[in-house]
Amino acid sequence: QKEVEQDPGPLSVPEGAIVSLNCTYSNSAFQYFMWYRQYSRKGPELLMYTYSSGNKEDGRFTAQVDKSSKYISLFIRDSQPSDSATYLCAMSAINNNDMRFGAGTRLTVKP
Amino acid sequence: KAGVTQTPRYLIKTRGQQVTLSCSPISGHRSVSWYQQTPGQGLQFLFEYFSETQRNKGNFPGRFSGRQFSNSRSEMNVSTLELGDSALYLCASSPTGTANTEAFFGQGTRLTVV
Repeated sequence: QKEVEQDPGPLSVPEGAIVSLNCTYSNSAFQYFMWYRQYSRKGPELLMYTYSSGNKEDGRFTAQVDKSSKYISLFIRDSQPSDSATYLCAMSAINNNDMRFGAGTRLTVKP
Repeated sequence: KAGVTQTPRYLIKTRGQQVTLSCSPISGHRSVSWYQQTPGQGLQFLFEYFSETQRNKGNFPGRFSGRQFSNSRSEMNVSTLELGDSALYLCASSPTGTANTEAFFGQGTRLTVV
């Protein structure tokens, strides 16, 4: 079993839809939870991060962490074609730069 | 503010050769981490350097090594290349390296081993 599990998709939605992306993990030491977006032929771009449990909102994006269930989510509201990319969850323990990544979910938003 | 710069962007090498990849972090950032990205394994941590010292290491063979210079620039070396080393190699820089919430990635070096 991988330390971080993420459904690779692909996921295809119409423009304007709400997108839900999820990851589960097994290491209870993880305290930082990040979401990255990666366009084709580009490096990952940090979208949001959350420390420990809770929710965080940034514009159309909302990140949720449920440590009791070892489950994190990223919601994208009013999805746009420009949101089409691969979304990677990542997590790490405190004071540890060894980030563990999910496999990435490929999202396509159709106009 | 300039981002993380990786050179070269693309590289083709033959099995058995060695290769050196370079990463220039964002100005003021002292931590540089290296990752390997492949379709099968995804993103995997190689190692992290902070103030010229390797602070953390992933589960890769000794053929993979790195170093960091006093200006925080980092190089990664792979010796005796194998076909399975074909991948996108990414580096990420952060100011202090104590929180990955501030890690920024470069565009990567795509290495193809033939």
